[in-house]
Amino acid sequence: GAGVSQSPSNKVTEKGKDVELRCDPISGHTALYWYRQSLGQGLEFLIYFQGNSAPDKSGLPSDRFSAERTGGSVSTLTIQRTQQEDSAVYLCASSSDRGDEQFFGPGTRLTVL
Amino acid sequence: AQRVTQPEKLLSVFKGAPVELKCNYSYSGSPELFWYVQYSRQRLQLLLRHISRESIKGFTADLNKGETSFHLKKPFAQEEDSAMYYCALLRPTGTYKYIFGTGTRLKVLA
Repeated sequence: GAGVSQSPSNKVTEKGKDVELRCDPISGHTALYWYRQSLGQGLEFLIYFQGNSAPDKSGLPSDRFSAERTGGSVSTLTIQRTQQEDSAVYLCASSSDRGDEQFFGPGTRLTVL
Repeated sequence: AQRVTQPEKLLSVFKGAPVELKCNYSYSGSPELFWYVQYSRQRLQLLLRHISRESIKGFTADLNKGETSFHLKKPFAQEEDSAMYYCALLRPTGTYKYIFGTGTRLKVLA
């Protein structure tokens, strides 16, 4: 079956604009994670969805960041009023209900000019 | 607080030399530990997990609960091992949340 997919693969935007990043997890996976990978900074946790539970938003860096997961499947990460420091690769991952192996998407490279 | 620490951002070794990527964790219970790897231009993927106690691509990792460590080791590094390595902890209670370390970039020099 298909793996985790993300769109767009690349996004270039101007400072101050809003952007939406999409993640399609593996079918049946109830856990979905968003991470940010900055050059030389490793993997930074952003937000975590598990089934119908309230999401864990503890990693979101500011209130400009938000995420939704509709119908327990597709997720959208929204960044409002983008800043240059938001430039990074945004990774999505999903895993089964038991929280076993995480399967990562290819990422969205965001560049804020 | 639950935390995964990878003290080295960059580790350079020569081909054929032993390599050890350090990982320490902070967790009061019995977590599950993993190593993930990201090769150049590839997706982040699972390398190995402590519960399977297997060797993948010549790498092994032993969970030391006394030292709260899960170091990744390989006796003879190869150039194709060059990649970014992340240690991760799975909290096996509640919502099964993953916690990743900040990663170590391994460079194997010819």
